[in-house]
Amino acid sequence: DQQVKQNSPSLSVQEGRISILNCDYTNSMFDYFLWYKKYPAEGPTFLISISSIKDKNEDGRFTVFLNKSAKHLSLHIVPSQPGDSAVYFCAASGNNFNKFYFGSGTKLNVKP
Amino acid sequence: GAGVSQSPSNKVTEKGKDVELRCDPISGHTALYWYRQSLGQGLEFLIYFQGNSAPDKSGLPSDRFSAERTGGSVSTLTIQRTQQEDSAVYLCASSFWAAQETQYFGPGTRLLVL
Repeated sequence: DQQVKQNSPSLSVQEGRISILNCDYTNSMFDYFLWYKKYPAEGPTFLISISSIKDKNEDGRFTVFLNKSAKHLSLHIVPSQPGDSAVYFCAASGNNFNKFYFGSGTKLNVKP
Repeated sequence: GAGVSQSPSNKVTEKGKDVELRCDPISGHTALYWYRQSLGQGLEFLIYFQGNSAPDKSGLPSDRFSAERTGGSVSTLTIQRTQQEDSAVYLCASSFWAAQETQYFGPGTRLLVL
């Protein structure tokens, strides 16, 4: 039973436009959410996080939005760059932080 | 400084054999995690170590899987009597202390069971 779902396996966006990656979760006890980026043959690297007390967190071109009532979070990348092409995973954890649940990932392709 | 390292990077084994995967976390990181990623799937949590405390083994898929962490640093994940469904990328991550800190991932070990 997947508690974190990324329903879009892939997304293609033109360079300079906005990329929106979506993630849904089922467990209302999740308190902490993260996005990771993964290039082929490498481990995931941390991108941005948000705690449940916030609804938005911004870091440069990356913004994560959290809608707790909808159990939904999204990652916005503006403007998208070809180097952003990678697989993006969202992850969630409860307040004990000893276990993280990951989605299946969305492969983003930013076309030059 | 050095990141999380894992060895071997690739492992091909025959069904029924035992394999041992190694993870060297970032120096000073007390929390260590093992995940696996099967083809087309997300990361599946396997086990979590915090310092010298007893690990949270709730994610281990069967009793063929075990893990240990010696001296609060290096960890080994052992899979006994491997099965074809064990084929996956096994990822190790570490973080400084409590798990809310950013996890730093190693490059993974690609295991193929024939």
